[in-house]
Amino acid sequence: GENVEQHPSTLSVQEGDSAVIKCTYSDSASNYFPWYKQELGKGPQLIIDIRSNVGEKKDQRIAVTLNKTAKHFSLHITETQPEDSAVYFCAARSSSASKIIFGSGTRLSIRP
Amino acid sequence: DAGVIQSPRHEVTEMGQEVTLRCKPISGHDYLFWYRQTMMRGLELLIYFNNNVPIDDSGMPEDRFSAKMPNASFSTLKIQPSEPRDSAVYFCASSLATGDEQFFGPGTRLTVL
Repeated sequence: GENVEQHPSTLSVQEGDSAVIKCTYSDSASNYFPWYKQELGKGPQLIIDIRSNVGEKKDQRIAVTLNKTAKHFSLHITETQPEDSAVYFCAARSSSASKIIFGSGTRLSIRP
Repeated sequence: DAGVIQSPRHEVTEMGQEVTLRCKPISGHDYLFWYRQTMMRGLELLIYFNNNVPIDDSGMPEDRFSAKMPNASFSTLKIQPSEPRDSAVYFCASSLATGDEQFFGPGTRLTVL
């Protein structure tokens, strides 16, 4: 089955700098890669997703890149702000399965 | 829509007791998921339903766990008997389809003493 690995587990960046979180997946049939943000005391919330027919997707300060050959994808947050502090999860869904497998999460802290 | 609704938000119980967690998905969503989140194991999918039918329960840890979805607007996750290692935050999520955005509820924090 699918296995998703996520790095780093914790990340601290200066406000205004960029943050990058990287994930790898094992199932070459995976075709959908969402990213979720979880704030303290809340459930995860989708912030951006990418499908396998696209290499990059942007939404304001957030971008995701996908390298299908290498089976890895990354989340980029530019001009980080205090409200970006949260736990971020990458995930992958195989075209041959119906469930999404989540990575282990990255706790992002933004230093003022 | 109010989003996914879970109850209770917090549950403290003693080992051996039965625990029932409840979820109301977003109206119109065909898929319902139950997840467990712990520091050690992260976010684990326990079971999911499509149109009220359980599709994959391979994540259910053992026979003490059971889940039902008697209708499109209600699901329960039951633990009987509960054990301290069941302490976790349990999330319910729903979506229109498996490849679509999953909307998570606020979670139920379960503590088994």
